[in-house]
Amino acid sequence: DAGVIQSPRHEVTEMGQEVTLRCKPISGHDYLFWYRQTMMRGLELLIYFNNNVPIDDSGMPEDRFSAKMPNASFSTLKIQPSEPRDSAVYFCASSGASGTFRTDTQYFGPGTRLTVL
Amino acid sequence: TQLLEQSPQFLSIQEGENLTVYCNSSSVFSSLQWYRQEPGEGPVLLVTVVTGGEVKKLKRLTFQFGDARKDSSLHITAAQPGDTGLYLCAGGASGSARQLTFGSGTQLTVLP
Repeated sequence: DAGVIQSPRHEVTEMGQEVTLRCKPISGHDYLFWYRQTMMRGLELLIYFNNNVPIDDSGMPEDRFSAKMPNASFSTLKIQPSEPRDSAVYFCASSGASGTFRTDTQYFGPGTRLTVL
Repeated sequence: TQLLEQSPQFLSIQEGENLTVYCNSSSVFSSLQWYRQEPGEGPVLLVTVVTGGEVKKLKRLTFQFGDARKDSSLHITAAQPGDTGLYLCAGGASGSARQLTFGSGTQLTVLP
């Protein structure tokens, strides 16, 4: 398996522009997570899906952020409009239904480094 | 909100030395996981502990879950340069389906 795939790996944009980050989870996994990592705040959960349905989006910073999962093999995280404070590394992770939730392994993608000028 | 505090935040040691990283919280977690992250990559799971007092060993790494399931430690014996990386603890909350709360991380550098 290729693992979790994220694109682009790097994104540089100007303030006010729309940014779309993409994620392809591991085939067969039914949970998908979006995280943001910064030096100041560490790794923060933004939103997660189960079977393509958003379960908890309480970590989404504000209305400028939105996430969708139209099917089991694709998810997007959109920021519109983007601001300099959104600069961070955004990770997508997926996990499978095997095992109990206490022992689930989350498999992370390589991340998208976003810079908003 | 459940918080996990890790200490130390940064650690730089010589090859062959031993070290311990701590992960503490005032909240009880149903499980505790440790991840290692290398530059330009996502975190990779090292171990999961689920029982209070549980100890797991992974080669030179020893992980312990506190008796009250509020804290954990990672001990590395005879550290090697290949151990360099960001170590993250993550707690699974009781009753939550899949959410993890990540600690702030410990950046370990092992000098040859």
